[in-house]
Amino acid sequence: DTEVTQTPKHLVMGMTNKKSLKCEQHMGHRAMYWYKQKAKKPPELMFVYSYEKLSINESVPSRFSPECPNSSLLNLHLHALQPEDSALYLCASGQAGGREQYFGPGTRLTVT
Amino acid sequence: GIQVEQSPPDLILQEGANSTLRCNFSDSVNNLQWFHQNPWGQLINLFYIPSGTKQNGRLSATTVATERYSLLYISSSQTTDSGVYFCAVPNTGNQFYFGTGTSLTVIP
Repeated sequence: DTEVTQTPKHLVMGMTNKKSLKCEQHMGHRAMYWYKQKAKKPPELMFVYSYEKLSINESVPSRFSPECPNSSLLNLHLHALQPEDSALYLCASGQAGGREQYFGPGTRLTVT
Repeated sequence: GIQVEQSPPDLILQEGANSTLRCNFSDSVNNLQWFHQNPWGQLINLFYIPSGTKQNGRLSATTVATERYSLLYISSSQTTDSGVYFCAVPNTGNQFYFGTGTSLTVIP
């Protein structure tokens, strides 16, 4: 099974809302990633968890809060977002140490 | 960080044509991946190719790590090949750097 699942597929939220994005993998991978992708741009790394610990935070604003409850799950908690945060949010997993990554289908987020 | 450039940025092909996409990177790497992003946004793994050549059906890839580039060959292109192709390389940790992408349109 080389599948990474993400929910929801689409999300519309207001600037005062709190919502969460969820990601799950059952490949035994110990590295999990959140990326943000704007239209016609490559994915930009936001966070990396390695062995359930946050190892990389690419200077992401605090209105994005990641959480890794266990080795299979990754959440991204959203609060007080801005319209410019509207984007495709992609989750990925892989073996630790920069090995092959596998991506989920993404969540299309619109902030109104 | 590692700089990753892809060329060409845009490519339009007639169905059945062949093409070569290029990925240049600025530093030594021990891993390289090629992805195809379909119109719905899904990033599909094409190749994990730190060095050498691999083939998968109509697609093949070659990485020459010592010269810091990788090539993706698409033969007998089909309309379903349309989308954006990215290469990505990691640093010594878990930090991946994506290339600028090649947007491919295959017309019937």
